[in-house]
Amino acid sequence: EVQLVESGGGLVQPGGSLRLSCAASGFTFTDHYMDWVRQAPGKGLEWVGRIRNKANSYTTEYAASVKGRFTISRDDSKNSLSLQMNSLKTEDTAVYYCGRGQDWGSSRYFDRWGRGTLVTVSS
Amino acid sequence: DIQLTQSPSFLSASLGDRVTITCRASQGISSYLVWHQQKPGKAPKLLIYAASTLQSGVPSRFSGSGSGTEFTLTISSLQPEDFATYYCQQFKSYPLTFGGGTKVEIK
Repeated sequence: EVQLVESGGGLVQPGGSLRLSCAASGFTFTDHYMDWVRQAPGKGLEWVGRIRNKANSYTTEYAASVKGRFTISRDDSKNSLSLQMNSLKTEDTAVYYCGRGQDWGSSRYFDRWGRGTLVTVSS
Repeated sequence: DIQLTQSPSFLSASLGDRVTITCRASQGISSYLVWHQQKPGKAPKLLIYAASTLQSGVPSRFSGSGSGTEFTLTISSLQPEDFATYYCQQFKSYPLTFGGGTKVEIK
């Protein structure tokens, strides 16, 4: 069974840092792109960023709202995905989900989501 | 960036109703569109990919159609477990974007 389990959320002050993790199991992690998506309280879904697989050089893409502050990485030996968040702002407060990318055509869509971890940025 | 506009944003319906949600893209995205369902306090769940292909395990009362800039999600006969918020999402180009959501509630 495919499982994605996020961890690392919590309360952090504005300007602070936090590192989220996503533990993957039940599928061949190395084959898949992986994504982070967030949802502010009472709001819709917002894509944060993506990391490609080894075959595509682990390259990354980011939303403009987090580019330069957030970094996505992965450790295929541990089936693990990470999101390093620096210079956090109050507007980064959200539930953060990791998602698995599944091939279709020339791109990839999310076919599995984790349960999410809450990040609260507040003084 | 590709903008996705969902309508309606809120929908009140009865059990057994046929429900249709529309998603319009600001530019052509071929069939690079998916639909997710989200229940309160839960993670989203994929329903439809490639605009019209039903994800494994999803009931056949859900269907998707469209291509280019206009897409629809249809629930043929609304069931109690279908009351949720539905999001379209494009994966044609970066940044990946979502529609604003359609909340389906009980009339």
